[in-house]
Amino acid sequence: TQLLEQSPQFLSIQEGENLTVYCNSSSVFSSLQWYRQEPGEGPVLLVTVVTGGEVKKLKRLTFQFGDARKDSSLHITAAQPGDTGLYLCAGGLGGFAGYALNFGKGTSLLVTP
Amino acid sequence: DSGVTQTPKHLITATGQRVTLRCSPRSGDLSVYWYQQSLDQGLQFLIQYYNGEERAKGNILERFSAQQFPDLHSELNLSSLELGDSALYFCASNRRQGGDYGYTFGSGTRLTVV
Repeated sequence: TQLLEQSPQFLSIQEGENLTVYCNSSSVFSSLQWYRQEPGEGPVLLVTVVTGGEVKKLKRLTFQFGDARKDSSLHITAAQPGDTGLYLCAGGLGGFAGYALNFGKGTSLLVTP
Repeated sequence: DSGVTQTPKHLITATGQRVTLRCSPRSGDLSVYWYQQSLDQGLQFLIQYYNGEERAKGNILERFSAQQFPDLHSELNLSSLELGDSALYFCASNRRQGGDYGYTFGSGTRLTVV
């Protein structure tokens, strides 16, 4: 069961364009994280959002957590080739007994010069 | 270097065989998580250990088992391997039992079953 749905699945854009990636779920999460994964490597944490409506910025990346804590978006301004990679959202179910993350299948982004 | 070490990086083995994947978490991290990544399923949570004890189980097959040792390193054992077990296996660690601390992933072990 895929708790988190990401869209689009693939995105190919030119350098300088803006883009938004979406992460949706019917479940409420205690927190939501975004990771970027490059080929042959493990995912690398970009940001964690925990409060409904929260917005976080990381240079040209803007992350937003939905008010109901069921969805999130990642907006990249003026994309660069270095932004190429697989973007994964992950929802934390929390709780003392464990903190397993449920991952979406990811959005594969290609930015060409 | 993320601080999470996984060995081996690549593994090729035949169907029916048994393999062991090893993970050393980042220094100070008590939790270890194992994930399987395949093209069609994405990253699937297998199992979590916290300070030597199993804490959460995901979609882990009965043919798979794991443990965490007193020095906090963890091993994932995969037995009676099938072609469909070919995947990337990642280990991740984090510092807190719960809360919002993100994972630090290792570089993974690419398992190919032939």
